[in-house]
Amino acid sequence: QVTLRESGPALVKPTQTLTLTCTFSGFSLSTSGMCVSWIRQPPGKALEWLALIDWDDDKYYSTSLKTRLTISKDTSKNQVVLTMTNMDPVDTATYYCARTQLGFPHFDYWGQGTLVTVSS
Amino acid sequence: EIVLTQSPGTLSLSPGERATLSCRASQSVSSSYLAWYQQKPGQAPRLLIYGASSRATGIPDRFSGSGSGTDFTLTISRLEPEDFAVYYCQQYGSAGFTFGPGTKVDIK
Repeated sequence: QVTLRESGPALVKPTQTLTLTCTFSGFSLSTSGMCVSWIRQPPGKALEWLALIDWDDDKYYSTSLKTRLTISKDTSKNQVVLTMTNMDPVDTATYYCARTQLGFPHFDYWGQGTLVTVSS
Repeated sequence: EIVLTQSPGTLSLSPGERATLSCRASQSVSSSYLAWYQQKPGQAPRLLIYGASSRATGIPDRFSGSGSGTDFTLTISRLEPEDFAVYYCQQYGSAGFTFGPGTKVDIK
């Protein structure tokens, strides 16, 4: 059974750095072809893909946010971490992690999401 | 970056009716790389269709996907009460993943 769960602060101040953790089970990021992405959704708005890390530790980022994002993994802990620097109120959103697999570029399993509010 | 446009923005229908949702891409998309999701309030998106026309595990056969190139369609043959939700299309390309703005299917 594949599950993913996001964790991190619910509130961050403008200019701070956000760190989110995705803890998953039911698959391993050391298995060839496995990937985990971060996706966000501002309240009432559409989904936006942020970053992906694959089993081989290759990393891919949204062009528009690339300079602010870092994705990493800890295979032994079944965790993927996303950091986003210089947070702004427009970054207020629900942040999801989700699984994809090489050759199947869609998100088949999602976490429940974590709402992050950026406010002073 | 490929931009996805979905229409209509809102579709007001009654249970039992047929729903036809459109997703149009700014450039040609490989059919293998087009997916559809359903999202209900307060929930994460759920994968419905991948590869433009393949149903995900556990998805009822009233959901079907079609299309190629720049025009794709999600059809719900007979709306059930639990189908009223927002639907997103998603594509994968050289610049990564992009989602459409969504179509809300609400009860007429």
